Amino acid sequence: DAGVIQSPRHEVTEMGQEVTLRCKPISGHNSLFWYRQTMMRGLELLIYFNNNVPIDDSGMPEDRFSAKMPNASFSTLKIQPSEPRDSAVYFCASSLEGNEQYFGPGTRLTVT
Amino acid sequence: GQQLNQSPQSMFIQEGEDVSMNCTSSSIFNTWLWYKQEPGEGPVLLIALYKAGELTSNGRLTAQFGITRKDSFLNISASIPSDVGIYFCAGFKGNYQLIWGAGTKLIIKP
Repeated sequence: DAGVIQSPRHEVTEMGQEVTLRCKPISGHNSLFWYRQTMMRGLELLIYFNNNVPIDDSGMPEDRFSAKMPNASFSTLKIQPSEPRDSAVYFCASSLEGNEQYFGPGTRLTVT
Repeated sequence: GQQLNQSPQSMFIQEGEDVSMNCTSSSIFNTWLWYKQEPGEGPVLLIALYKAGELTSNGRLTAQFGITRKDSFLNISASIPSDVGIYFCAGFKGNYQLIWGAGTKLIIKP
C-alpha cells in the first residue's frame, strides 16, 4: 500500500511568491495533519483535519498560511505571500482516528 | 511548548553495542509512540504502546510504557549502521495531538 504522498519534495521560491504544498493521505485514514519541522522548534503541528473538516488550526502561524481538504484523498497547504522565515520542512501525516500518525516524506521549502 | 524530556540528545556508539534512550514527562499519557527519522525523510513509526507496563518488541527494538504512564524507553540491541538516525518519542493524551520529544541522534562510530 502507498504511504502518505507529498509533492513537491523540494521547493525554492522567492520572497513574496505563493507556495502550495500537496498531500495525499493513506487511503481509509480519516485524520490528516500538517506539521512544520525546523532545527530551532522541532516538529510543530500546524493544522488538523478530521473527516475533511479543519478541527484545530491554532498552530497556523499567520493569516498567510491556509489549508484545505476538499476530499478525503487530497489536502493543500498554501503560503501567500511567502517569507524567508517560512523556510522549513513541511510534513503531512495521516491516521485512523488520530492515534498512530504516518508521515509523508516532506517538502523542503526554501524561501530566498 | 514541548512537555517531553527525551535523553540523551545524542549517542556515539560502536557497531554492535546496545542503545537505550528514554522520555519522561510530568504528565500522564495514554499512548507512547516511537519514531525514527533519517535525513531527508519523514518520521517512521517504529513502535506504539497503549498500556502502562506494556513491553513491545519490533525486531531488535524493544520499548516499554512506564508503569506511572509518565515515561517510556526504547532499547536497540546489537546496533548496525542502518540504525543511524534521529529517534523521537511522542505521547498521546487522548485527543488528536501528539506531544513530541526533542529527539535522540544516534551516530555509529566506524
